[in-house]
Amino acid sequence: QLQLQESGPGLVEPSETLSLNCTVSGGSVSDRSYYWGWARQPPGKGLEWLGTIYYNGDTYDNPSLRSRITISVDTSKNHFSLKVNSVTAADTAVYYCARCQGVGPNPFDYWGQGTLVTVSS
Amino acid sequence: EIVLTQSPGTLSLSPGERATLSCRASQSVTSDFLAWYQQKTGRAPRLLIYSATSRSPGIPDRFSGSGSGTDFTLTISRLEPEDFAVYYCQQYGTSPWTFGQGTKVEI
Repeated sequence: QLQLQESGPGLVEPSETLSLNCTVSGGSVSDRSYYWGWARQPPGKGLEWLGTIYYNGDTYDNPSLRSRITISVDTSKNHFSLKVNSVTAADTAVYYCARCQGVGPNPFDYWGQGTLVTVSS
Repeated sequence: EIVLTQSPGTLSLSPGERATLSCRASQSVTSDFLAWYQQKTGRAPRLLIYSATSRSPGIPDRFSGSGSGTDFTLTISRLEPEDFAVYYCQQYGTSPWTFGQGTKVEI
């Protein structure tokens, strides 16, 4: 059974960089049948798509955040990562990693449990 | 970007009743790449419907999706107690992929 698990600091100071990993078990980020991605949800609010990545490093990200986010994949560790730099309180959210249902445009069919990241000094 | 507007914001119904949720797009959704998710408090979203009308594996047949272009509907034919949750639509045909603001189905 495919499982995804987010990990990283729960508290980040303003202007610093938020870094999260998503470890995949029961599957492989090298599987050419799927994309992998990130979404977030501020407390009490709706969902926002951040971006997706393929095993070869091809990425598609949200233009509203493009200058601040980096999504990468490490096939040797079977995980993929998210970095958001220059964070502010507006970046406080539950961050989810997920698998896309296939290659190309596809919804997220498997999700991690999510991890709350708070931006505060 | 494509803005998705869901209505109503809240739907108050009883178990056994039919729920009809709407999702309207600000422009046509490419290839009807429209998904519906269910989210319960403190949990990750769960994929229900993709490509506007296809049920995800393991999803009960009381959930159905319809629509095309800019107008889409999620129907729950007979509400079960476990169906009370927040439902989101998402378009993934045009970058950036976007979500609606959600419809809460409450008792």
